Amino acid sequence: AQSVSQHNHHVILSEAASLELGCNYSYGGTVNLFWYVQYPGQHLQLLLKYFSGDPLVKGIKGFEAEFIKSKFSFNLRKPSVQWSDTAEYFCAVNAPRETSYDKVIFGPGTSLSVIP
Amino acid sequence: EPEVTQTPSHQVTQMGQEVILRCVPISNHLYFYWYRQILGQKVEFLVSFYNNEISEKSEIFDDQFSVERPDGSNFTLKIRSTKLEDSAMYFCASSLDRVNQPQHFGDGTRLSIL
Repeated sequence: AQSVSQHNHHVILSEAASLELGCNYSYGGTVNLFWYVQYPGQHLQLLLKYFSGDPLVKGIKGFEAEFIKSKFSFNLRKPSVQWSDTAEYFCAVNAPRETSYDKVIFGPGTSLSVIP
Repeated sequence: EPEVTQTPSHQVTQMGQEVILRCVPISNHLYFYWYRQILGQKVEFLVSFYNNEISEKSEIFDDQFSVERPDGSNFTLKIRSTKLEDSAMYFCASSLDRVNQPQHFGDGTRLSIL
C-alpha cells in the first residue's frame, strides 16, 4: 500500500548528539515533502519543505533534510540537538498525481526525547 | 507570524449529539483543510475546501460530517451525530496555494465522545 513510514517510533538522545530521523515514502512521480514538528502542547509547525531544486533543504532551528529520489527517502538531520528539540516529528508527503494536490499524507511520527 | 487558530481546545460531547469545531485560517489563505488524529494513529486527511465548496474528501468524511465557511473568516467542521469512534484530535489547516505552498496547521481540538 502507498504510505509514508518513519524508521523510529521513539528516539532518545543526549544534548549535543547528532540526529537523523528516517522517512521513506512509496509514491512515484512528483512528490512534495515536508517535516512537521509538534512541541508538547503546541500545534504542528512546518520545519522544512521540498518542492523542487536542491535536494538538500535547510529549515528552521538548524534542521536540514535530504531528498534522495532513488531511495524514496527524505531524512531529517541536525548536527547537535538541544533539550528544546524534544518533540514529535512527522514526515509528510504530498503526491499530486497519485493522490491529490490537497491531501498531505503523514507518517506515524517519531518522538524525540533529548536528555540534558 | 500569522497562525491558524482553533476553538475550543477541548470539546466533550455525549454520543449522538452534534458538535461544531471552529477554525480561523490565516487571513489571506484560500485553501482550507481538516485532518484528524485518533490517539496512537497517524494524522489523516478528512476534507479540503476551496471557493466555498468541498474540493476533496476522504472515505472517512461520510454524511455525518459537513464543512462550511459561514462568514468569510471562520471555517467549521460539523459532526451531526457523534459516535465513540469520532474521539480524536482534529486539526484545521490552511494554505495560500494548493500546489507550491505548505499547509499551516492549528493547535487542534481534542474531541472526546462519552
